[in-house]
Amino acid sequence: GENVEQHPSTLSVQEGDSAVIKCTYSDSASNYFPWYKQELGKRPQLIIDIRSNVGEKKDQRIAVTLNKTAKHFSLHITETQPEDSAVYFCAASRWDYKLSFGAGTTVTVRA
Amino acid sequence: EAQVTQNPRYLITVTGKKLTVTCSQNMNHEYMSWYRQDPGLGLRQIYYSMNVEVTDKGDVPEGYKVSRKEKRNFPLILESPSPNQTSLYFCASKEQGKKLFFGSGTQLSVL
Repeated sequence: GENVEQHPSTLSVQEGDSAVIKCTYSDSASNYFPWYKQELGKRPQLIIDIRSNVGEKKDQRIAVTLNKTAKHFSLHITETQPEDSAVYFCAASRWDYKLSFGAGTTVTVRA
Repeated sequence: EAQVTQNPRYLITVTGKKLTVTCSQNMNHEYMSWYRQDPGLGLRQIYYSMNVEVTDKGDVPEGYKVSRKEKRNFPLILESPSPNQTSLYFCASKEQGKKLFFGSGTQLSVL
């Protein structure tokens, strides 16, 4: 099955700086790569996703890049704010119903 | 309001005492799934259902049962809970090709 590795496990950034989280996946047939944000005590919520026919996608301060050849994808958060502090999960799937998640990255934005 | 509702939010039980965590969605989604979240392991899929009366194992199905008698409900059953099933559980649902909606989670402790 699919194996998703996520790095780093924790990330501390100064407010206003950028944050980058990287994930690798094992199944070359995976074609859907979502990112979820989970605030403390809350449910995971989708923040951005990308499909394998696209190399990059941006939504305001967040962007995701995908390198199919290297089988890795990354989340970029620019101009970080305190409300960006959360746990972020990457995921990958070949089929719509089989989403495999990374272990998560705890992001702390220092004021 | 579109939502996935899980009950209970918190549950403390003892080893071997059967329990059921309920999950209901009001979005007429065909796909539903259960995940468990453990520190350092991310979210791991337990079981999923593509439609009524159609269920299949995820990555960690041992010790769990599910049923899908109605489209809106997808209960998770632990026939004989053990301490290693202490975890945070999330139910989720989606339309094909669309994003995954998570419930608010159930924190289970098995003593």
